[in-house]
Amino acid sequence: GAGVSQSPSNKVTEKGKDVELRCDPISGHTALYWYRQRLGQGLEFLIYFQGNSAPDKSGLPSDRFSAERTGESVSTLTIQRTQQEDSAVYLCAVSEDRGYYEQYFGPGTRLTVT
Amino acid sequence: RKEVEQDPGPFNVPEGATVAFNCTYSNSASQSFFWYRQDCRKEPKLLMSVYSSGNEDGRFTAQLNRASQYISLLIRDSKLSDSATYLCVATGYNFNKFYFGSGTKLNVKP
Repeated sequence: GAGVSQSPSNKVTEKGKDVELRCDPISGHTALYWYRQRLGQGLEFLIYFQGNSAPDKSGLPSDRFSAERTGESVSTLTIQRTQQEDSAVYLCAVSEDRGYYEQYFGPGTRLTVT
Repeated sequence: RKEVEQDPGPFNVPEGATVAFNCTYSNSASQSFFWYRQDCRKEPKLLMSVYSSGNEDGRFTAQLNRASQYISLLIRDSKLSDSATYLCVATGYNFNKFYFGSGTKLNVKP
């Protein structure tokens, strides 16, 4: 993924627990996106960060989901009180600047809620 | 209606065949366009951008038809290694948001 790393690569958690997923972006890529991909499904946009601007949170499915990013550094996606339907691969992607340029994806975190 | 729509397939073709995928987009997802490839249990990777005049990269040709609001991907001389899911992607008005289609699955058989 051109240097985008995510951790953990796999996470199994019990229903009701909180989880935190991490994305380490490529230096200099100001735009950062989080997506969710359920098994056999397409990518579902969750949230977008662009530099120090207010994030676009329009894709977050509920208030149990939140994300943070400080400047152009690491981002964390937090899911509180996990539910079984949260089971999916969570992908982080970065872009040099908005949609003019392609996105580079990290390998994803596979979350399983039991 | 979703911003970007694709035929999910699967498209099952023999090696050497030519195969084409189409993807339609909405007015809210109509700025820049890409095709991504996603292998099973892997992250998506850029295959090619789509330019207004159409563009070619080896065996792959991408076309944009703004009048009918669709983009296409043509793969010539299919290889076994082309088997993957192909994602159509468009960006929104402010180029902030990438809209992904659900993907078209291609199986190239020997």
